[in-house]
Amino acid sequence: QVQLVQSGAEVKKPGASVKVSCKASGYRFDSYGLSWVRQAPGQGLEWMGWITIYNGNTHYAQQLQGRVTMTTDTSTSTAYMELRSLRSDDTAVYYCARGRWLQLGGFDYWGQGTLVTVSS
Amino acid sequence: DIVMTQSPLSLPVTPGEPASISCRSSHSLLQSNGYNYLDWYLQKPGQSPQLLIYLGSNRASGVPDRFSGSGSGTAFTLTISRVEAEDVGVYYCMQVLQIPGTFGGGTRVEIK
Repeated sequence: QVQLVQSGAEVKKPGASVKVSCKASGYRFDSYGLSWVRQAPGQGLEWMGWITIYNGNTHYAQQLQGRVTMTTDTSTSTAYMELRSLRSDDTAVYYCARGRWLQLGGFDYWGQGTLVTVSS
Repeated sequence: DIVMTQSPLSLPVTPGEPASISCRSSHSLLQSNGYNYLDWYLQKPGQSPQLLIYLGSNRASGVPDRFSGSGSGTAFTLTISRVEAEDVGVYYCMQVLQIPGTFGGGTRVEIK
């Protein structure tokens, strides 16, 4: 069965970096895209970016450009999202979500979420 | 960026009764291939979101047929034909036509 298993919760200080992993299983990893979505406490969903795994192309939300990097390791079917220069408003649950191969959307499987807390 | 607006913010429902949620986009989501690039998600309490409807009106695998998506262009509706207690949570629409993908603010469905 398809699964996306994310790494555990993180607590970081302002200015630090965090790298969240998302290990996929149960399907051909490079036949789908993968997006990252975050949710601040008590708030709605925010799309962060998308990676087309077969060629590594990335698309990021403009407000995160320069601070976020999405990568994959196809040998382990794992995706990574690194966010740098963390601020308190980056405190959120971060989700990875499997999507269509070459078109944004259709997030049919989601990871369990990773809580990142940014606090001094 | 395409702005997505959902209404209502909160929707009290009676089990067995129908319910509908509106979603409007600031730009047409209809492409020349006939697809509307709009998805619907439900986030149940304490859970990750789950896909309900993709490309406007296509029910995702395993989604009960009481859920349906309709609309075209800039106006869309998610309809639950007969609400069940397990349908409580926050519903989000999301446009997937342009990058960045953008979500509506969400509609909280609760049982009366």
